[in-house]
Amino acid sequence: SYVLTQPPSVSVAPGKTARITCGGNNIGFKSVHWYQQKPGQAPVLVIYYDRDRPSGIPERFSGSNSGNTATLTISRVEAGDEADYYCQVWDSNSDHVVFGGGTKLTVL
Amino acid sequence: EVQLLESGGGLVQPGGSLRLSCTASGFTFSSYAMSWVRQAPGKGLEWVSAISFSDDTTYYADSVKGRFTISRDNSKNRLYLQMNSLRADDTAVYYCAKDPATMTTMTPFDSWGQGTLVTVSS
Repeated sequence: SYVLTQPPSVSVAPGKTARITCGGNNIGFKSVHWYQQKPGQAPVLVIYYDRDRPSGIPERFSGSNSGNTATLTISRVEAGDEADYYCQVWDSNSDHVVFGGGTKLTVL
Repeated sequence: EVQLLESGGGLVQPGGSLRLSCTASGFTFSSYAMSWVRQAPGKGLEWVSAISFSDDTTYYADSVKGRFTISRDNSKNRLYLQMNSLRADDTAVYYCAKDPATMTTMTPFDSWGQGTLVTVSS
């Protein structure tokens, strides 16, 4: 089955740029979606189809996808961005939705 | 405003059964695919099952196939998850999630409920 690999944690100072990666075999050929989940809350879609932002999501959130790595980039990080972030794809070989293991973003 | 409200969670013994419901409002429920996603305590998200808008196509994670059944009643705007032969590792918060398309494939989950906790323990 298809596997998505994320770093367990990423730390960044306020005002800096955070990059969270999602690795998968030829993930560049898939559509990648990203979710933000704060403690005790449901996930929220922050990036879809690699780089599109839903309404209400700040422009500071952006995405890219190429080769074997998709990346969620958060510019000018704020304390409120501290959360768990998950990438997600559809695996057409197995007809399964696949989530990455999640990355905890800590704002120092 | 899209609202998804899960119910039916609780404590169940290993080997037992439980049926979860998700009541949808704020959108045309019958036009969209839906999924269940779960999250074990302190763990990541795990997709469980998906169903097409018309109920004619369903998908299951390997971990639940043969034990769980997803269904929907478009006349009542409700999504269901029948869970049988429950095991301790099924303990999780179960979320229902809306797909922006008629069928879950490459599409994201654009709305989520707040979840219902299922605890499998003796």
